[in-house]
Amino acid sequence: EVQLVESGGGLVQPGGSLRLSCAASGFTVSSNYMSWVRQAPGKGLEWVSVIYSGGSTYYADSVKGRFTISRDNSKNTLYLQMNSLRAEDTAVYYCARDNKAIVGATRNAYDIWGQGTMVTVSS
Amino acid sequence: DIQLTQSPSFLSASVGDRVTITCRASQGISSYLAWYQQKPGKAPKLLIYAASTLQSGVPSRFSGSGSGTEFTLTISSLQPEDFATYYCQQLYSYPSITFGQGTRLEIK
Repeated sequence: EVQLVESGGGLVQPGGSLRLSCAASGFTVSSNYMSWVRQAPGKGLEWVSVIYSGGSTYYADSVKGRFTISRDNSKNTLYLQMNSLRAEDTAVYYCARDNKAIVGATRNAYDIWGQGTMVTVSS
Repeated sequence: DIQLTQSPSFLSASVGDRVTITCRASQGISSYLAWYQQKPGKAPKLLIYAASTLQSGVPSRFSGSGSGTEFTLTISSLQPEDFATYYCQQLYSYPSITFGQGTRLEIK
């Protein structure tokens, strides 16, 4: 079965760190474009970061310099290291597969999503 | 950044109704647009990609159209399970993709 399962969320104080994991099954993380998307309570969806199949990484301005996306090919797992956390980072974090490597650059979308993991930044 | 504006933000409709949601882009994005459905406490689900292509497994009552700056998602006959929030997403300015603010569809 093709699926993504996130873990690692929780309560952290402002300025703290947290690492989110996203374990994939049914497909290979390193062969795909993988993203993190977040959703603050009661709000809409916000793109956070992407890692290309070739390894290039990109970030939203709101997290640049604080968050790092990576993957472990041996574990088929995506990560998001979050440092210097702020109250405004409080959200459900989803990992998602962008099927760009499968369907090409003109027809891609986020076709597989994890269930989400909640991150709360509060003192 | 490319902004996406959905209208309406809130929609009340009845089972069997035909509904249309509009997504307008702040600049032309060709057909680099997708639509998602999200139910409370759940992850978004891909419905439409490339503006008008139905994702495998999605009921045919869902359809998408448009190109450039104006796009629509239409549900031809609302079913009880369709009441949810809908988001459009542009993938033109990859990798900095953006989402619309969402349209909440509720039962009248």
